Amino acid sequence: ETGVTQTPRHLVMGMTNKKSLKCEQHLGHNAMYWYKQSAKKPLELMFVYNFKEQTENNSVPSRFSPECPNSSHLFLHLHTLQPEDSALYLCASSQDGRDTEAFFGQGTRLTVV
Amino acid sequence: GQQLNQSPQSMFIQEGEDVSMNCTSSSIFNTWLWYKQDPGEGPVLLIALYKAGELTSNGRLTAQFGITRKDSFLNISASIPSDVGIYFCAGQKPGTYKYIFGTGTRLKVLA
Repeated sequence: ETGVTQTPRHLVMGMTNKKSLKCEQHLGHNAMYWYKQSAKKPLELMFVYNFKEQTENNSVPSRFSPECPNSSHLFLHLHTLQPEDSALYLCASSQDGRDTEAFFGQGTRLTVV
Repeated sequence: GQQLNQSPQSMFIQEGEDVSMNCTSSSIFNTWLWYKQDPGEGPVLLIALYKAGELTSNGRLTAQFGITRKDSFLNISASIPSDVGIYFCAGQKPGTYKYIFGTGTRLKVLA
């Protein structure tokens, strides 16, 4: 248990569906991250939020829409995804985003059919 | 996007052997982190390094932050079957919030 909880653990969705991934951290951290992990690829940073403000958007397609209502919660809203978006989506948090450790959740395994 | 070069990509070792893996980059990093990931799970932090030259241990694991700030290595001593998994390095560049991950080293331990 790392203190970062992601739900759901598994999700299957059609290309016309809308779904959301949720991340919650109980560590009192101020920075939160979304990463995408595809098979045989390194983790790819998608978004970074620091004190609820988005500080990084790594050229992510608009069909992925993040939301950070407070420092403890991070969402990733999904719509009109493509099969190649199937991957493990990982959420992480760190104290204040710089020169600190990042702790990961267990991930959401997303399959787009 | 920028990547860290991590080697080896994979390795088979006998139980009890020592293991060494490293990460290199063309850029300077302020922070190096080492993670282990089991199948279907998120990466678990093993060791964090913050200063050039820093050598840190966590049980059988030892990691060092390279003097040039462009590399780091992880050693595992006396490997055991539960060391199986994928090991990732991650670096954070000065003045950024991004953690950039290496390509991973897949470790398989033969009993």
